Amino acid sequence: DIVMTQSPDSLAVSLGERATINCKSSQTVLYSSNNNNYLAWYQQKPGQPPKLLIYWASTRESGVPDRFSGSGSGTDFTLTISSLQAEDVAVYYCQQYYSSPLTFGPGTKVNIK
Amino acid sequence: QVQLQESGPGLVKPSETLSLTCTVSGGSISSYYWSWIRQPPGKGLECIGYIYSSGSTIYNPSLASRVTISVDTSKNQFYLKLSSVTAADTAVYYCARHHTVTTQYTWFDPWGQGTLVTVSS
Repeated sequence: DIVMTQSPDSLAVSLGERATINCKSSQTVLYSSNNNNYLAWYQQKPGQPPKLLIYWASTRESGVPDRFSGSGSGTDFTLTISSLQAEDVAVYYCQQYYSSPLTFGPGTKVNIK
Repeated sequence: QVQLQESGPGLVKPSETLSLTCTVSGGSISSYYWSWIRQPPGKGLECIGYIYSSGSTIYNPSLASRVTISVDTSKNQFYLKLSSVTAADTAVYYCARHHTVTTQYTWFDPWGQGTLVTVSS
C-alpha cells in the first residue's frame, strides 16, 4: 500500500496570510507514461463530506477559488492557500489514486490565528 | 448532476453484519467505479473497497475478509456488507463515484452525504 503522510497535523494562520500543507507518499505517484501525478486534495468541513479541490496534483476543480493551488511531483506535494479566508477553516486531505488501495493522508486541520 | 445517497441502519450490534445501500440519481451507474469510504469519529478517511458497474470488485486488504460490495444496475444502487462488526467499525460511511469513466485510478467525485453507523449492544 502507498502510505500518505501530511505535515503539519494542524496550523493556525492569520486571515489573509498564506497556509502551506505538505503531503508525502511512500512511493512515487508519478506515472511516467503520461507524466501525471496521481494526487488529489480535498477540503472537509464538520458534518460534510470531503470536497474536491485539486486533482492531478495541480489542476484546480471548477469553482474552487484561485487562492488554492497545488504543486509538487513524485513523492512530495504541497497545497497552498495564498490568502486564508474564514471559510477556509477545515481539515485538508491528500489522496493518491496511483494504485490500489487508494489511500488518504491523515489530514491537516487549518484554523484562524 | 449525479447525486449519491447512503441509507441503512444507524445502529448495529457487535458481531452482526452492517448493511448499507448507496442510491445513485441523476445519472447511470454504468461504466464507472463506485467506492465505499469510512471515517471514524474525529479521524481520517479509509477506503473500504470499490466495484465496477459490471460487478468486479477490489477490497482494501485490511478489511477484505469481512467485506462484500455488490451492485444492482437495474436499481442504480450499490451495496456494502461488513460482517462481524466491532466498536472499531463505528464510523461515518460514505459512498462515492470514481470521477473518470472506466478507470478506478482517479479521484472521488461526487460523494454522498455520509451516514453514521454505530456499533453497540
